Order: sequence, then structure tokens, then C-alpha cells
Amino acid sequence: GENVEQHPSTLSVQEGDSAVIKCTYSDSASNYFPWYKQELGKRPQLIIDIRSNVGEKKDQRIAVTLNKTAKHFSLHITETQPEDSAVYFCAASIGNTDKLIFGTGTRLQVFP
Amino acid sequence: GAVVSQHPSWVICKSGTSVKIECRSLDFQATTMFWYRQFPKQSLMLMATSNEGSKATYEQGVEKDKFLINHASLTLSTLTVTSAHPEDSSFYICSAMENEQYFGPGTRLTVT
Repeated sequence: GENVEQHPSTLSVQEGDSAVIKCTYSDSASNYFPWYKQELGKRPQLIIDIRSNVGEKKDQRIAVTLNKTAKHFSLHITETQPEDSAVYFCAASIGNTDKLIFGTGTRLQVFP
Repeated sequence: GAVVSQHPSWVICKSGTSVKIECRSLDFQATTMFWYRQFPKQSLMLMATSNEGSKATYEQGVEKDKFLINHASLTLSTLTVTSAHPEDSSFYICSAMENEQYFGPGTRLTVT
């Protein structure tokens, strides 16, 4: 079945440094790739997403890149701040449906 | 932005009883809602897709007779865990679809 792998599982960075989280997916028909931030005890919130017809998307300090050939997509956070500390999940659509399969999550800690 | 609520936020029930969880889209209509299960420090696992006015579709391995889903209106989907057992204890989280998935705050179920 469909699968999404996410690395690393934990990531610690100094405030101001960059953080990169990588995901790979197995379903070649996936066409939507969102990233969610989940703070402890709270709901996942969409921070950025990308569709398969785009290779890169940026929103202020956050960017996502997609390599369809390799079935890789990555989240890049620049100038990290302590409030970026959370668990980040990547996800991929199941085919071209609205259903999502989630990665295993990355716990990001930004130290002041 | 779009707001999704869940009720209750937490519930404790005895083994063998049933418990109903509600998911509401507060400021938009959603023909499609999703139900997920999240274990501690783990990812979101899609359980089923709730479709307004039709039967829910369940993911492989999810017992439809145990997890009853009803989507009677464009703003409400309910998940009933029937004959609950301790292994059903988990964090259940719903999402409602409006261009993207908006997540509810989740319901923590503990079965004693």
C-alpha cells in the first residue's frame, strides 16, 4: 500500500539556524503534499503545501521543494525561532483524492 | 479561517460500552470529513472518510461495525466506538474538507 517516510524523527537546532525535514512517498499518483505543525496537545495546522505541478513554494521563512521523479519532498525552515518548536508532519494525497497519508513526524526543538 | 470543533474533548468509559464523538464544521459546510486515530507520539492514521448523505468508506483494517460513522448534515459527522475495549483508548481527531483539511482539536478516549 501507500507509504510516506519522514526523516529525521527528531531535530535540534540553535535559534537562527535552518532546519530541513525530508519525506519520500510511494504512490506515483499522489498530487498534493501538505505539511502540518502540531504543538503539544493541539490540533495539526497546515503551514504550507505544494501540488505536483510545482517544484518549489515559499512563504516567508518556510519553503517546500518537490522532486516528483525521485518522489521526495522537503520542508525548509530558515531563521528558526523557539516558537517553531513542535512536531511536523508531512503528508501525501492518496492518488488524486482528498485522502492523506501522513509521515511519522519530526520533533523539532529550537534552542535559544 | 475555517474552524472545526470536536466534542467531547476527553471521555472515559467502561469496557463494553459505546461512546459517540462529534465533529462539527462551525463556519463552513463540509461534504467530506475524515476521522483519524493518533497514538502517543505517533502519526495520524486515517480510519475512514465520512461523506454527507452516503455511507462512510473505511481504510483497510478498520472495523466498520466497531467504528460507526454518520454524516447526517453538512456540518456534523459522528464517530461511535461500539463495545469499547482498552485497546481502543487513543486520541481521535477529525478533519473537515474545504480546499484543505481543517482539523478538530481531538478527543482523548480512555477505556477502563
